[in-house]
Amino acid sequence: DAGITQSPRYKITETGRQVTLMCHQTWSHSYMFWYRQDLGHGLRLIYYSAAADITDKGEVPDGYVVSRSKTENFPLTLESATRSQTSVYFCASSEHSAYNSPLHFGNGTRLTVT
Amino acid sequence: DQQVKQNSPSLSVQEGRISILNCDYTNSMFDYFLWYKKYPAEGPTFLISISSIKDKNEDGRFTVFLNKSAKHLSLHIVPSQPGDSAVYFCAANRWGSQGNLIFGKGTKLSVKP
Repeated sequence: DAGITQSPRYKITETGRQVTLMCHQTWSHSYMFWYRQDLGHGLRLIYYSAAADITDKGEVPDGYVVSRSKTENFPLTLESATRSQTSVYFCASSEHSAYNSPLHFGNGTRLTVT
Repeated sequence: DQQVKQNSPSLSVQEGRISILNCDYTNSMFDYFLWYKKYPAEGPTFLISISSIKDKNEDGRFTVFLNKSAKHLSLHIVPSQPGDSAVYFCAANRWGSQGNLIFGKGTKLSVKP
């Protein structure tokens, strides 16, 4: 199916474990993004990527690692999960930059860190 | 410090009436603004945008107004329909900031039949 897909949809992990959230898009969009949504904070940018092998930090990058070896994939890794990383994570892509080019979001991954 | 503010967490409107969602921003460098709509258990979807060279943009029942001097934008939905019930996010960006789209906290709109 065309579009942007995130996996898993739900994940429960323990404090200190490494966990990777996957994101795949079929549009060949240049830009990809990771946001987290928390009550009282709205959507906050974690990392974004302008192209394969090009990534940059957003507003809340600490504790997260990203990579983009292929245009269509943009995995997000929590190296050592903490309870404060319990959140809903959204991946997004855009044909051009986030400036004047709408983002297309996946349906999110709900992560719970116990 | 919050650069994009949506001060009303929720709004309730009767079907057929106008819904007005407000958004304020503090960064005078912002020059591109968007609204996204989000249903539960789904990702946000793009609704409408406006560039700072305009003060109004329309798309069907949705109109966005931009007041640059007040650093304020609003989304008007006329007429409101029950299917419009969702969380609406305001977002802003500036030229030269390719990746950093800043979102507000969202306003939950409930349209009652």
